[in-house]
Amino acid sequence: NAGVTQTPKFRILKIGQSMTLQCAQDMNHNYMYWYRQDPGMGLKLIYYSVGAGITDKGEVPNGYNVSRSTTEDFPLRLELAAPSQTSVYFCASSYSRDWTEGYTFGSGTRLTVV
Amino acid sequence: ILNVEQSPQSLHVQEGDSTNFTCSFPSSNFYALHWYRWETAKSPEALFVMTLNGDEKKKGRISATLNTKEGYSYLYIKGSQPEDSATYLCAPIRAAGNKLTFGGGTRVLVKP
Repeated sequence: NAGVTQTPKFRILKIGQSMTLQCAQDMNHNYMYWYRQDPGMGLKLIYYSVGAGITDKGEVPNGYNVSRSTTEDFPLRLELAAPSQTSVYFCASSYSRDWTEGYTFGSGTRLTVV
Repeated sequence: ILNVEQSPQSLHVQEGDSTNFTCSFPSSNFYALHWYRWETAKSPEALFVMTLNGDEKKKGRISATLNTKEGYSYLYIKGSQPEDSATYLCAPIRAAGNKLTFGGGTRVLVKP
């Protein structure tokens, strides 16, 4: 099992550009999440999904969009990138909210907007 | 949005010493609490998932306790080693919730 795979690992964007961060899991997990790492603030939830076709906003959704057309994939779209979106982005998954082993995280995407 | 507080934000520990730190969260509608270990340049890894008041979990030299009535959890590291250096995150989930809310973390640096 590969677990949770995020691509790319690093990316530099210019202000106003757009991009999609990819996230795929092969564990047949229903729940998937996107977090961003804010310095000193831990992890902030951007969007999450409880199954294919279902998505919902987290704490900091502005400037982002998601889709969940399959159980395996949960891409995060940045439209009109801004310097405030410079961060490390983590995708995570779990079988359900009762998952006693906790979330499985991807290795992260480090994004810089200049 | 849940208010999750972790204290202290950071601490330095001498190798071989034991230490502990706190996670505070709203006690109402509690469902479960997760603890994660997050090493620099890596992704968070789950340590414990705790659900019952009075729960105690242990993994090697690391253990955690849970008080759901007053809304706090302690994480203990016994005989700290340099490899214990990491940020430790706690995250509660509410009874009607589908997602974790993470605290800001406690950054532990173990000095040889």
